[in-house]
Amino acid sequence: AQKITQTQPGMFVQEKEAVTLDCTYDTSDPSYGLFWYKQPSSGEMIFLIYQGSYDQQNATEGRYSLNFQKARKSANLVISASQLGDSAMYFCAMRGRNTDKLIFGTGTRLQVFP
Amino acid sequence: DAEITQSPRHKITETGRQVTLACHQTWNHNNMFWYRQDLGHGLRLIHYSYGVHDTNKGEVSDGYSVSRSNTEDLPLTLESAASSQTSVYFCASGSTTGAGELFFGEGSRLTVL
Repeated sequence: AQKITQTQPGMFVQEKEAVTLDCTYDTSDPSYGLFWYKQPSSGEMIFLIYQGSYDQQNATEGRYSLNFQKARKSANLVISASQLGDSAMYFCAMRGRNTDKLIFGTGTRLQVFP
Repeated sequence: DAEITQSPRHKITETGRQVTLACHQTWNHNNMFWYRQDLGHGLRLIHYSYGVHDTNKGEVSDGYSVSRSNTEDLPLTLESAASSQTSVYFCASGSTTGAGELFFGEGSRLTVL
């Protein structure tokens, strides 16, 4: 069975600092995809970044990067130069081989303070 | 612009009543999903569909049903609402190409009294 674990219920970071949100996963599929979503207080789910299990390089999207360590089964999200608008819930998710459904972790609430 | 819309956005109902949450997408995606979001549980998959007339159960499907009669719509029905089904419900759709990320509706907050 596939599982996503986010062990940090909440994180604080000062504006302009970098922050890492942890995500570990468990799967027996040789091919899978990893995703991060942001959910601001308004409630919508915003796709941030994707990493394929066979991708050689870590994914980056602007200030977001995914620190993918396959052997450790971790897919941590790194946000550089945090902004007040980054305050939100962040969800890690995984898609296995031969399926298009996503399995989500329980989320990490990030609060950015001035 | 393509979008995915849910209705109603907020609903209060009583235990035992039937409730239907609508989901409509204009992305022309074959894949559609219903999740519920509860504190401490993240998003859990209720039902999903990979195309017209296809439906599949997710991890928390008891008490829910879906039907897919066209590409655009996947309504979620609670046959007999229970207080445990008080939650925020998200509909999502996605393509089978590219990364396969899901696009989410804005959510429907359901309260069962």
